[in-house]
Amino acid sequence: QVQLVESGGGLVKPGGSLRLSCAASGFTFSDYYMSWIRQTPGKGPEWVSYISSGGPIIYYPDSVKGRFTISRDDAKNSLYLQMTSLRAEDTAVYYCARVGLHTSMAPDYWGQGTLVTVSS
Amino acid sequence: QSVLTQPPSASGTPGQRVTISCSGSHSNIGSNTVSWYQQLPGAAPKFLMFSNDQRPSGVPDRFSGSKSGTSASLAISGLQSEDEADYYCATWDDSLKGPIFGGGTKLTVL
Repeated sequence: QVQLVESGGGLVKPGGSLRLSCAASGFTFSDYYMSWIRQTPGKGPEWVSYISSGGPIIYYPDSVKGRFTISRDDAKNSLYLQMTSLRAEDTAVYYCARVGLHTSMAPDYWGQGTLVTVSS
Repeated sequence: QSVLTQPPSASGTPGQRVTISCSGSHSNIGSNTVSWYQQLPGAAPKFLMFSNDQRPSGVPDRFSGSKSGTSASLAISGLQSEDEADYYCATWDDSLKGPIFGGGTKLTVL
């Protein structure tokens, strides 16, 4: 079965950096777009980034553009998110999510999430 | 403030049919398909609907989706206690050039 396991979250000071990892299993990782989506308590999820299969297409919203970098290692079935210049408003649970093949870009499987807290 | 507007809450009794709305604009719902997610307390969102009205395998047919113009709806019939959760709509926004989620609706089963 499809499994996505995030790691790397934690407490970091404003201006600091953090690297999130997502280990995928149960499907052919290289065939799928992958994404990072975050959520703060009581709010709707927010797309942070996605990367196409093979990696040529990458998306970031303005809120993280220039600070976050998504990457993937298909040989290791892994997805990464390098976060720099972190701000208090980046505090959230970060989910790794697979984008479905025939779902009009809707993520179909999500990991359990990793908490990132940006605070001094 | 989300670009997609959902009512913050909805409720129903067991067995009832409830509908959750998601209102957008021409640049998002009006031009793209809508998906829906269910989030139980403390859990990750679960994929519930895609392409407006398509259920992934394993989702009961009590759940149905529709879209008309710049609005979409998720209907749940035969309401059950385990349906108590937060529900989110999602789509692509052509103006923002990216995917977006609604603010969510908390469904209470009375």
